[in-house]
Amino acid sequence: GAGVSQSPSNKVTEKGKDVELRCDPISGHTALYWYRQSLGQGLEFLIYFQGNSAPDKSGLPSDRFSAERTGGSVSTLTIQRTQQEDSAVYLCASSFVGPPNYGYTFGSGTRLTVV
Amino acid sequence: QKEVEQDPGPLSVPEGAIVSLNCTYSNSAFQYFMWYRQYSRKGPELLMYTYSSGNKEDGRFTAQVDKSSKYISLFIRDSQPSDSATYLCAMSTNSNSGYALNFGKGTSLLVTP
Repeated sequence: GAGVSQSPSNKVTEKGKDVELRCDPISGHTALYWYRQSLGQGLEFLIYFQGNSAPDKSGLPSDRFSAERTGGSVSTLTIQRTQQEDSAVYLCASSFVGPPNYGYTFGSGTRLTVV
Repeated sequence: QKEVEQDPGPLSVPEGAIVSLNCTYSNSAFQYFMWYRQYSRKGPELLMYTYSSGNKEDGRFTAQVDKSSKYISLFIRDSQPSDSATYLCAMSTNSNSGYALNFGKGTSLLVTP
């Protein structure tokens, strides 16, 4: 597609439920990033994929968070047993391999609300 | 303390004013310096990119990086109401996290007609 596509755009879930967030990167972009944007913390890096591999998962906030990428394309971020502090906008970005001017493009995000 | 500090504002200026935004940082390993603009309910979009120290100009926008002071700035000349948005500084280096971006908290700018 023309841009990074994220779905759903909005998600309201009950505390304790699991949620899956999806990111469709730009075709040909091998690097994929997940970020979280919350009112108090600003934009925080969560995880990076080079192809299907995530070399460093230390940015994930807790073991309730996991992510995978298949076929070097679509990525899903899963949050298990959601808590109210997980409420935030989850942003995905993709790029060619290289510095941030190599086509680094953000999606519009998934707004997650945990009630 | 966050690695990147940015005054959240809000900043309100009249149309035509010069706007100055800035960030400070603590990690001397950062090599890539960006300014992003973010409109409500949209993802950030890249506005200016600078590698290492120096100035870069693009139309009404000028980005400055001073690595010795760990200080970056964005200047907007002849500001327009359409410039009203949140401006985020971001910095990066190559690591196990690829080119993951470290963001400031963003400055909310309102340009009034």
